[in-house]
Amino acid sequence: MQLVESGGGLVQAGGSLRVSCAASGVVSGFTFSGLWMSWVRQAPGRGLEWVANINQDGTKRYYVDSVKGRFTISRDNAKNSLFLQMDSLRGEDTALYFCARGGTDSSWYWVDWGQGTLVTVSS
Amino acid sequence: DIQMTQSPSTLSASVGDRVTITCRASQTISSWLAWYQQKPGKAPKLLIHDAYNLGSGVPSRFSGSGSGTEFTLTISSLQPDDFATYYCQRYISYPITFGGGTKVDI
Repeated sequence: MQLVESGGGLVQAGGSLRVSCAASGVVSGFTFSGLWMSWVRQAPGRGLEWVANINQDGTKRYYVDSVKGRFTISRDNAKNSLFLQMDSLRGEDTALYFCARGGTDSSWYWVDWGQGTLVTVSS
Repeated sequence: DIQMTQSPSTLSASVGDRVTITCRASQTISSWLAWYQQKPGKAPKLLIHDAYNLGSGVPSRFSGSGSGTEFTLTISSLQPDDFATYYCQRYISYPITFGGGTKVDI
């Protein structure tokens, strides 16, 4: 599955940004709508941090504690798209945001990744 | 939260060397562990899942072992393409967490 992120940019602390991920292709007979999806981020020069997971119909969403109440993961299966709405942004949210493809039962580890979209939060 | 600690943080090696990277979990995680390779400016690549299962298309010089709280990633004979940063990652419960990474350089 091919994943292409977009929507990153420079935003002031306290502001909002929505990043998107467009999916194409099939995985073991499943299209985007049949798969869990995830966001993972990487601050400049730092390690990887899981951010959020969403199930196929959007009824199950999970977040890392540091973004709970500020970020919202969502999806539009008709448009094969994944989103991350980021509100009340902080300097520590500055990172390259990757979308990643999960499986049919969960999104515990990731084979397919996008190239990432850079979010920079200025203080 | 379960913390993942990798060691060493940096490893200097030569082509042909056998390389071992260790990952320790603060609580038992059974075999719910993955390993990734990441090169600068690129997305991570899955090498190993479920502690020892090789990802699709991953060369057999990579292997994973361990269970419970201690895990290892071994590269049997380091190749030029293997100079990169390696991350372990635990799963099966939230939050999903990564180790801090091990940079393998010349």
